[in-house]
Amino acid sequence: SQQGEEDPQALSIQEGENATMNCSYKTSINNLQWYRQNSGRGLVHLILIRSNEREKHSGRLRVTLDTSKKSSSLLITASRAADTASYFCAWGGGSQGNLIFGKGTKLSVKP
Amino acid sequence: EPEVTQTPSHQVTQMGQEVILRCVPISNHLYFYWYRQILGQKVEFLVSFYNNEISEKSEIFDDQFSVERPDGSNFTLKIRSTKLEDSAMYFCASSDDPGLFFGYTFGSGTRLTVV
Repeated sequence: SQQGEEDPQALSIQEGENATMNCSYKTSINNLQWYRQNSGRGLVHLILIRSNEREKHSGRLRVTLDTSKKSSSLLITASRAADTASYFCAWGGGSQGNLIFGKGTKLSVKP
Repeated sequence: EPEVTQTPSHQVTQMGQEVILRCVPISNHLYFYWYRQILGQKVEFLVSFYNNEISEKSEIFDDQFSVERPDGSNFTLKIRSTKLEDSAMYFCASSDDPGLFFGYTFGSGTRLTVV
């Protein structure tokens, strides 16, 4: 199977705290991406990290990638109630760039 | 900001009926995709489309499914004879560089309910 795992499956924190989500994958990758999905809505691309990068920042987001461990983490700093959503990691699974998604972490940020 | 547009947002159909889900990708993108997400489950790849032909497809994308880019702007997914297990959110996505440097742009999805 090419599927990976994300943990935790669910995370509940208070506003202002940091949220860390982890992703593991099983295949070699060109890049790894993180997406956000509000309940019942579409997927919004957050950040892409290439296989030769180890860390990337975008606003309050910090992504790390460890290709030796086949793992990535997404850190959201100073979380807000509006960050409440499901977060998915995804990685390239084919020559035309089709993505394989992790199972997602459901983040709840309480005001 | 450019968007991927999907219609309808929700479709209810009888088992065995044909459905067509429509997508308008971003105009300068060349790579198009369909994914689905059964309620509460992971997002699954169905098919990728480039240069007017299917470039890759998953095991889910069997003979009941087909895709078409009929007029250079729309990108459609057809399910010929729907089954109960086809009930899911279907997402269209497009990209201009198969995700090598940038992520994909996803539409808001079509919720398909087969009854």
